Parts: sequence; C-alpha cells; structure tokens
Amino acid sequence: QVQLVQSGAEVKKPGSSVKVSCKASGGTFSSYAISWVRQAPGQGLEWMGGIIPIFGTANYAQKFQGRVTITADESTSTAYMELSSLRSEDTAVYYCASLGYCSGGSPCYFDYWGQGTLVTVSS
Amino acid sequence: QSALTQPASVSGSPGQSITISCTGTSSDVGGYNYVSWYQQHPGKAPKLMIYEVSNRPSGVSNRFSGSKSGNTASLTISGLQAEDEADYYCSSYTSSSYVFGTGTKVTVL
Repeated sequence: QVQLVQSGAEVKKPGSSVKVSCKASGGTFSSYAISWVRQAPGQGLEWMGGIIPIFGTANYAQKFQGRVTITADESTSTAYMELSSLRSEDTAVYYCASLGYCSGGSPCYFDYWGQGTLVTVSS
Repeated sequence: QSALTQPASVSGSPGQSITISCTGTSSDVGGYNYVSWYQQHPGKAPKLMIYEVSNRPSGVSNRFSGSKSGNTASLTISGLQAEDEADYYCSSYTSSSYVFGTGTKVTVL
C-alpha cells in the first residue's frame, strides 16, 4: 500500500514560485509513476504533469509547459512540483498521486493520492 | 486537451440506480480502454472507484460498475446510498498525458 504525504499549505505573492513535496512510502519509489493534479476552489481536477523516477524525465500538460517543473529524489522517496510566475488563478489544492499500470503497460489510473496542499496566491 | 464532458449533476433516491456519462473523443476515451472514475467527498482527496473502464479496485463496492461505448464511458451506481453523495470525475489516458472530466455532483434525495 502506497502512502503519499505532502508538505503543508503555502501563501505566495503573485510572480513568485512555490515548491510542493510529496513523500512516498510503501512499494518501490523508483518504479512509481507520480503525477500532480490540481483543483481550484469549487472547480474540477486538472492534470499538470508527471514523472517516473527510474526514468527521470517528466512530462507536462501543455497548459503548464515552461512554468512547472516536476522532479524526484530517489534517495528520499520524494517527488516535487515547482510552479513559477504564480498568479491568483493558481490558487488551488495541489495533489500528488501515484499511478497504476494498465494491462497495456502504461500508467493509466491514479490509485493513491496525497492529502493535498493548499496554495494561496495573494498580494 | 479539452476536459471530458460530464453532466453537472445527477440525483436519485436511496435504492435507485443512476448513471453518469463521460464523453470524449477518439483521441482519449474512444482510443484507449484506459478510463477511470474517482469519487470525491468535500474536503477530501479523490478515491479511485473504477479503472480500465470496468475494473473495481479491492475494497470498492460492487454497486459501482463501469462501461464504455465509442467515445462515451459510463459509471453506474446501483442501490444508491446516502454515502454515495459526492462529486465524481472520469479520467482518460491520452498519449502520455491524462485528461479529467468536468465532474458530476451526485445527490441522494
């Protein structure tokens, strides 16, 4: 059973950056696929990007390309999501989630979720 | 990538069955059998209910079932219970990325 524990809430100024962490336990971290999903207040879920630590390369949703960086530290079993040039519209709960692998071999569903981290962007 | 389309709300009485639709395109829902469904109660993280269109994870009630036809996937909740009142989201894999549905609020009358 995978457990994902995220860092605490953040309050940031417009134009600044935020870095949220997601520490995993249970299973083999390097083989996980970890994604970041955000949810603005009263809104739906939005996939931001993900990483498979053993491969090291992240991929991002087109909307966030150039503004988000997802990394993983295998030594501490921790994934990170850094979002830059923050604006008020980035106020949201940010979740990390691990992905299960479908029968075709691709990670295709979000089976374990962190508790969420509220990021508030306000001047 | 546009969000998958779900009805904003669906309601039913206890014991009834309801179905939530999730419409995409041939590039996502229609192109892969990689549709999953999530239940989210207020203030909580989403919970996986169905994966690969119709598979239930261990521990999820068999009152929840999934199916797909063409570009539309569906989640059916049978024997509706008060605890099923929540938001539900579909999701589809699409060529190394993922897209979620717009979300459906299920109300138990």
